[in-house]
Amino acid sequence: SYVLTQPPSVSLAPGRTATIACGGDNIERKSVHWYQQKPGQAPVLVIYHENDRPSGIPERFSGSISGKTATLTISRVEAGDEADYYCQVWDDDGVVVFGGGTKLTVL
Amino acid sequence: QVQLQESGPGLVRPSETLSLTCTVSGASITNLYYTWIRQPPGKGLEWIGYIYHSGSANYNPSLKGRVTMSLDTSKNQLSLNLNSVTAADTAVYYCARGYQLLAGWFAPWGQGTLVTVSS
Repeated sequence: SYVLTQPPSVSLAPGRTATIACGGDNIERKSVHWYQQKPGQAPVLVIYHENDRPSGIPERFSGSISGKTATLTISRVEAGDEADYYCQVWDDDGVVVFGGGTKLTVL
Repeated sequence: QVQLQESGPGLVRPSETLSLTCTVSGASITNLYYTWIRQPPGKGLEWIGYIYHSGSANYNPSLKGRVTMSLDTSKNQLSLNLNSVTAADTAVYYCARGYQLLAGWFAPWGQGTLVTVSS
């Protein structure tokens, strides 16, 4: 089965740029989506189709793909960005796959 | 504005069937598709399956045939049944609307409902 690998945690100071990686075989051929989940809340879509932002998501959020890794980038990180972030794709068998999630801590 | 709301029993006995309903407002379930996703306490997201507006569905093979989904267009609701539950099925269960079947994303999500499997 298809596997997406994310680092368990990322920590940085406010104002810095956070990068959250999501690795998978042939990920560059897939459409990658990203969700933000704050404690006690449902996930919220922040990036779809690698680098499209839904209405209401700040421009500080962006996505990219290079090689076998998709990356979610959050510029000028704020305390309110502290959350778990998940990447998501569909595998070749029509099954949805989520990465294990990355906990972003703003120091 | 599209909103989804899950409902159902918060406690299910082992070996019994977990049944949840998702009520959709602000959009017709006869468009796009809908999905169920769960999250065990303190863990990550697990996709359960999707149901298309035609009624066709596809499920996560990891659930080994225990899951069925259905639509009630008269009530604008979708339902999830998971049989032969064990403690491993304890989770927050979410429904969400899907875009671009087989390649797309999910938005919005319901607030989720916690289901505990215990005797």
